[in-house]
Amino acid sequence: DSGVTQTPKHLITATGQRVTLRCSPRSGDLSVYWYQQSLDQGLQFLIQYYNGEERAKGNILERFSAQQFPDLHSELNLSSLELGDSALYFCASSPPGVGEAYNEQFFGPGTRLTVL
Amino acid sequence: AQKVTQAQTEISVVEKEDVTLDCVYETRDTTYYLFWYKQPPSGELVFLIRRNSFDEQNEISGRYSWNFQKSTSSFNFTITASQVVDSAVYFCALSDLADSNSGYALNFGKGTSLLVTP
Repeated sequence: DSGVTQTPKHLITATGQRVTLRCSPRSGDLSVYWYQQSLDQGLQFLIQYYNGEERAKGNILERFSAQQFPDLHSELNLSSLELGDSALYFCASSPPGVGEAYNEQFFGPGTRLTVL
Repeated sequence: AQKVTQAQTEISVVEKEDVTLDCVYETRDTTYYLFWYKQPPSGELVFLIRRNSFDEQNEISGRYSWNFQKSTSSFNFTITASQVVDSAVYFCALSDLADSNSGYALNFGKGTSLLVTP
């Protein structure tokens, strides 16, 4: 158990809908990363938040957005869903400190999204 | 462009065999970090090792060992005396600042699926 929690574990929805995925980082971690794992694209970085602020952006679609709240939990919002958005969405957290990149990212169990 | 290449898509071995998973990376940075993660059938991502670009010492942890060679941009992973429980997908990942938009996010390879049979 990494200490990172993600809800829900599974989500089934229809095309055109909007969903919200939730992530709670490990206690004390300030960084939250979101990744998408699909058969086509593999594991791809979407976006990172650090202490409530957007820190880095990857291959995140405009239909997707995220935020990190004062209690440091994060939500990933996916809208106008398409079949191709079906994937496993991971959240990871890493602790603060000197040389942030030095710390490994601890991954949550993932949310499996199925768009029908 | 793919920054991390795991050329082996699938490997199948018999229990107790040794197996090496290859990882080749590319980066313009002099400071970077390399990782290996394991994804068992249950789906979670399990951290195995992190190595920074200034530390080329090989590392051994039980049956696992890693060979980091900057000269060939490789960070290979060897499992000695493989066991059925080692069956999983293994991902190599790179963290650098080459793309300033992505910060230190992980760039993953496509993964190598390892099947260990009794």
